Amino acid sequence: EADIYQTPRYLVIGTGKKITLECSQTMGHDKMYWYQQDPGMELHLIHYSYGVNSTEKGDLSSESTVSRIRTEHFPLTLESARPSHTSQYLCASTGDEYEKLFFGSGTQLSVL
Amino acid sequence: SQQGEEDPQALSIQEGENATMNCSYKTSINNLQWYRQNSGRGLVHLILIRSNEREKHSGRLRVTLDTSKKSSSLLITASRAADTASYFCATDEDSNYQLIWGAGTKLIIKP
Repeated sequence: EADIYQTPRYLVIGTGKKITLECSQTMGHDKMYWYQQDPGMELHLIHYSYGVNSTEKGDLSSESTVSRIRTEHFPLTLESARPSHTSQYLCASTGDEYEKLFFGSGTQLSVL
Repeated sequence: SQQGEEDPQALSIQEGENATMNCSYKTSINNLQWYRQNSGRGLVHLILIRSNEREKHSGRLRVTLDTSKKSSSLLITASRAADTASYFCATDEDSNYQLIWGAGTKLIIKP
């Protein structure tokens, strides 16, 4: 069982709202990732971190930002949500380079 | 960037039958992984095969890797309804140390 948690599980908000998706892991992993996934489609990397105070943008252009102030916590923030942000957001972590990722259950975001 | 390709995109079989899914990639790799995703959930790691391995087993799962063809297959034997899910392969072929994901195969097991 993976010790990585995402909240909220579902979120429905109006356009223009600021939101933060939470992700926490208790495994002491240095590497953490945020992926965006539309239904039935592949995963797109939007942000990653290799440790505290380290954050990078992924391949998919995103209007979100992330922070990594503590090893266990990697929140993702949308300053002004738009309908195009409607998607599932998956957080993952690993303790090894290239190795097994542990995923949270995801946040399903709907922006009206 | 998404460089992995999986086929078929969808597969529907009867419970008890075997299911085979394929994954192809483009450059050299150190390892290839398979993950399962139940609808609307996160992914769960199934198995990792290294570039110097040709076959690996885990319970009802068998993974093969052919580095000359840059392809891998995942075989699920004696399928069960609980195996209904999407299956993704991921490789470490990206030079920025990111996993490259396939588009997934949606597997449906009919009772």
